[in-house]
Amino acid sequence: SQTIHQWPATLVQPVGSPLSLECTVEGTSNPNLYWYRQAAGRGLQLLFYSVGIGQISSEVPQNLSASRPQDRQFILSSKKLLLSDSGFYLCAWRPGGTDTQYFGPGTRLTVL
Amino acid sequence: DQQVKQNSPSLSVQEGRISILNCDYTNSMFDYFLWYKKYPAEGPTFLISISSIKDKNEDGRFTVFLNKSAKHLSLHIVPSQPGDSAVYFCAASAGSGGSNYKLTFGKGTLLTVNP
Repeated sequence: SQTIHQWPATLVQPVGSPLSLECTVEGTSNPNLYWYRQAAGRGLQLLFYSVGIGQISSEVPQNLSASRPQDRQFILSSKKLLLSDSGFYLCAWRPGGTDTQYFGPGTRLTVL
Repeated sequence: DQQVKQNSPSLSVQEGRISILNCDYTNSMFDYFLWYKKYPAEGPTFLISISSIKDKNEDGRFTVFLNKSAKHLSLHIVPSQPGDSAVYFCAASAGSGGSNYKLTFGKGTLLTVNP
């Protein structure tokens, strides 16, 4: 069966510090991968998606970036965090032939 | 512009009764709709989905209804249980047609089922 992992689970970072969040999927190959953010009291906002290694599409302009160095690994990064980057970050994967996405457990990021 | 709207931020029902969660959309290209359930500090869990070629899909206590002419869908939970208390997100997809299966989410409805 397929599983999706995210780490760390929680993170507290000062403003201006770098960020690296990791997502990995097991039990499948060539999945579509997605990064979302849920800010306090808001819905899920799509940040990036990837259809393959090295292929990244950005949905919103921001100081975040994403990379996909391996087939089942998706990384969310920032060189300098802003207060507004605080939120709950979710990684999701989509198997081929379906519209359904399956989410990881999420990372709670607090920028102070 | 919010393409998927959940106009009720919260809903409270008694255990054993029916919960009805509503969702409206504006993009006529959407052809697949999903409901997710989310507990605090956890990732959303897929519940049920419906294709635009259907008007109803049922899975146990959960039924989703789609009214394409009204661009409206609803999730019915019968009977409601305290464990159903969570935030429910409606999502829509335009499939492969230029969207790469991206999902557009509503802001969610907090369902509270009282014992």
